[in-house]
Amino acid sequence: KQEVTQIPAALSVPEGENLVLNCSFTDSAIYNLQWFRQDPGKGLTSLLLIQSSQREQTSGRLNASLDKSSGRSTLYIAASQPGDSATYLCAVSGGFKTIFGAGTRLFVKA
Amino acid sequence: GAGVSQTPSNKVTEKGKYVELRCDPISGHTALYWYRQSLGQGPEFLIYFQGTGAADDSGLPNDRFFAVRPEGSVSTLKIQRTERGDSAVYLCASSFGQSDTQYFGPGTRLTVL
Repeated sequence: KQEVTQIPAALSVPEGENLVLNCSFTDSAIYNLQWFRQDPGKGLTSLLLIQSSQREQTSGRLNASLDKSSGRSTLYIAASQPGDSATYLCAVSGGFKTIFGAGTRLFVKA
Repeated sequence: GAGVSQTPSNKVTEKGKYVELRCDPISGHTALYWYRQSLGQGPEFLIYFQGTGAADDSGLPNDRFFAVRPEGSVSTLKIQRTERGDSAVYLCASSFGQSDTQYFGPGTRLTVL
């Protein structure tokens, strides 16, 4: 049974810092891994999708890596801004299911 | 283009009542997912549709929950004999195919009194 863990559960950083969010999963038989952002009371917004054959994806200040063999992914956020404050969720898809972690709550202080 | 829409945005019902939650996916998306999210948790997978058929319904908690997608577009999640523990935000997502980016709707907040 796939389990997804995200560390840390919460993170507070000053504006401008570079930061790393971690995601680990127990079953390496996945199709892809996605990182999402969720603002309070809102739905999820896709940030990056990494297919199982890929090692990383980049979008603007965001870079996500995938190491299937070790069951790990990281989301790197460069030069954080207060507008980055949100919950970041990692999700792995294998078979027909998508399994989410509990998320990392990020607060960027101005 | 239009994103995924869900109706109603909020639903308050009494214990024991029947509810239907609707999801309108992005046009052309063949894959559709339902999730349930409780406060402070990540979304929990409920069911996956490929076209009209439910390819995986292993996440449905019990036989009070049922979902349909009769024409391969709009989907309805149906909950019979609601219980207070069913209170949550129900999220719908769609994608072109199984391994593509999922696009989420805003969710339906269900409250069972």
